[in-house]
Amino acid sequence: EAQVTQNPRYLITVTGKKLTVTCSQNMNHEYMSWYRQDPGLGLRQIYYSMNVEVTDKGDVPEGYKVSRKEKRNFPLILESPSPNQTSLYFCASSLFAGLAGGNEQFFGPGTRLTVL
Amino acid sequence: GIQVEQSPPDLILQEGANSTLRCNFSDSVNNLQWFHQNPWGQLINLFYIPSGTKQNGRLSATTVATERYSLLYISSSQTTDSGVYFCAVEAGTNFGNEKLTFGTGTRLTIIP
Repeated sequence: EAQVTQNPRYLITVTGKKLTVTCSQNMNHEYMSWYRQDPGLGLRQIYYSMNVEVTDKGDVPEGYKVSRKEKRNFPLILESPSPNQTSLYFCASSLFAGLAGGNEQFFGPGTRLTVL
Repeated sequence: GIQVEQSPPDLILQEGANSTLRCNFSDSVNNLQWFHQNPWGQLINLFYIPSGTKQNGRLSATTVATERYSLLYISSSQTTDSGVYFCAVEAGTNFGNEKLTFGTGTRLTIIP
């Protein structure tokens, strides 16, 4: 089944304890991105990747890192989480990243993160 | 950046009723998608519809790109249709970033 998976789905952690949220897609997609969803602020893009080893900042990258060593995986790293990173996180992917754009995007199930 | 407005913000309907949700956007788009966010927070893909009309069971959608709006129709509503419906667009000038800009959503509540 074609899908985007995220792990963990739920996580409660403490300030400063490094964590990684994994994202994997099995559709051979080139483009992947991360969003966070917060009440009153909607969904905002954190980072995106147009292909292996090609990543760039989205609208709210502060406090996050990403890597794209393999096409299928795009982990989100919080080196020193803080309470303001408590949020619902989504990973998304699409087939091809190019200037023409317009590809359908597929979202993972979400990761609900609480930082105490 | 591109602006996306959805209306109405809230909608409460009796089971079996029909509804129309609207999405207006401020500029040309490469992509438009409709999502349903269920009570568990999952974003469910409903339609990929940058233009034209599509139907899937009780749901259908129409996008008129030249007039910068899209409509989502839900017929014979069921309680499982409850949740928040989002319209999301990719701006026509993306420079390689296929970022989706989401509207603020329509919260639909279906009463048995």
